[in-house]
Amino acid sequence: DIQMTQSPSSLSASVGDRVTITCRASQSISTYLNWYQQKPGKAPKLLIYAASSLQSGVPSRFSGSGSGTDFTLTISSLQPEDFATYYCQQSYSTPMYTFGQGTKLEIK
Amino acid sequence: EVQLVDSGGGLVQPGGSLRLSCAASRLIFSSYWMTWVRQAPGKGLEWVATLNQDGSERYYVDSVKGRFTISRDNTKNSLYLQMNSLRAEDTAVYYCARVHHYYDSGSHHYYFEYWGQGTLVTVSS
Repeated sequence: DIQMTQSPSSLSASVGDRVTITCRASQSISTYLNWYQQKPGKAPKLLIYAASSLQSGVPSRFSGSGSGTDFTLTISSLQPEDFATYYCQQSYSTPMYTFGQGTKLEIK
Repeated sequence: EVQLVDSGGGLVQPGGSLRLSCAASRLIFSSYWMTWVRQAPGKGLEWVATLNQDGSERYYVDSVKGRFTISRDNTKNSLYLQMNSLRAEDTAVYYCARVHHYYDSGSHHYYFEYWGQGTLVTVSS
């Protein structure tokens, strides 16, 4: 099974900061990597698919990069609505999937 | 706007059964793989099961194999999750989601594009 490990598990930042979240796969998954944002009490929302493609309607301050085993999600300038939990997900082993454990982004 | 509505959650005793439903509207339901994802209280997301378009291919996370069954009725635009022999560790919010397929330069990418609002399953005596 492919394991996904995110770091950090939590992060404190201020509005306007540039933030990077890392996701590492236990084996190479090429670019079969997606990112989701989840706010409390809500369903997850797709941000990035195929490692670096921005989902329609998602602000351009969000970007993704990486391939193989190491991936990053970057928010270029944090906005108040960006404080949430972020999950990576591998789709290399589709139709079975694995999520990272999540990164909680909190206001400093 | 595409909408998925999850229902059927509730309180059930250990060893009991429950059937979750996911009703789809304003989307071409029968053309897509569908999936269930769960989230235990205060925990992360866990993929549970996936089903192909005609219901002939089913995939499960190891922890639910033999206990849960994913199915669909394309005439009713509905997805189901039959959960038997429930355990305390199955307590979670369960979300259905539509699996989107994206093809680019020889690679097939899949992601969960639309999600239901979730339904809470609590397994407790």
